Amino acid sequence: AQSVTQPDIHITVSEGASLELRCNYSYGATPYLFWYVQSPGQGLQLLLKYFSGDTLVQGIKGFEAEFKRSQSSFNLRKPSVHWSDAAEYFCAVGFYNAGNNRKLIWGLGTSLAVNP
Amino acid sequence: SQTIHQWPATLVQPVGSPLSLECTVEGTSNPNLYWYRQAAGRGLQLLFYSVGIGQISSEVPQNLSASRPQDRQFILSSKKLLLSDSGFYLCAWRTSGGTDTQYFGPGTRLTVL
Repeated sequence: AQSVTQPDIHITVSEGASLELRCNYSYGATPYLFWYVQSPGQGLQLLLKYFSGDTLVQGIKGFEAEFKRSQSSFNLRKPSVHWSDAAEYFCAVGFYNAGNNRKLIWGLGTSLAVNP
Repeated sequence: SQTIHQWPATLVQPVGSPLSLECTVEGTSNPNLYWYRQAAGRGLQLLFYSVGIGQISSEVPQNLSASRPQDRQFILSSKKLLLSDSGFYLCAWRTSGGTDTQYFGPGTRLTVL
């Protein structure tokens, strides 16, 4: 069965430090992969996505993610975190269900706190 | 450009009362529409999705129902709310036949007392 795992429930980093949020997936075919960010009380905003091609994808707000097929991972990175990056981050995988409809499987999210 | 609206933004309802949450999308036609619930400290749970008018698929048996009376309108309803229905409800859309990218509305915070 398809699944998405975000191993870190909560991460705290200092402002200016580098960041890596982990995402591992289980899916039999080539996945479509996404990272979304959610500020408190808000909807989800797409940070970046991978469909094919270059395995290192650039997103908004200075984020990037690397697809590693051999490790079934799609980790999110940022070289220097800003206080405004404090939020909940969700990884998702797109797949076809039994009815041939496209859906997303979601990780449970990683909560990021940024110390000044 | 496309926009997605949800209302109300917040709602406090007594147990046993009815519910109607509305989601509308502008700037696109025949979108796929989704209702998610997000409980406190939890991930996203897909409740319903729709690929067209009157076409609703339910993901989880529950106290809720969904309807799509118009192409760009998606409604989440309940006849009698339970305490466990409290949460943050998110509507999302994606282009039919396009990529899997879903775009989310601002959400509705529902508190059932």
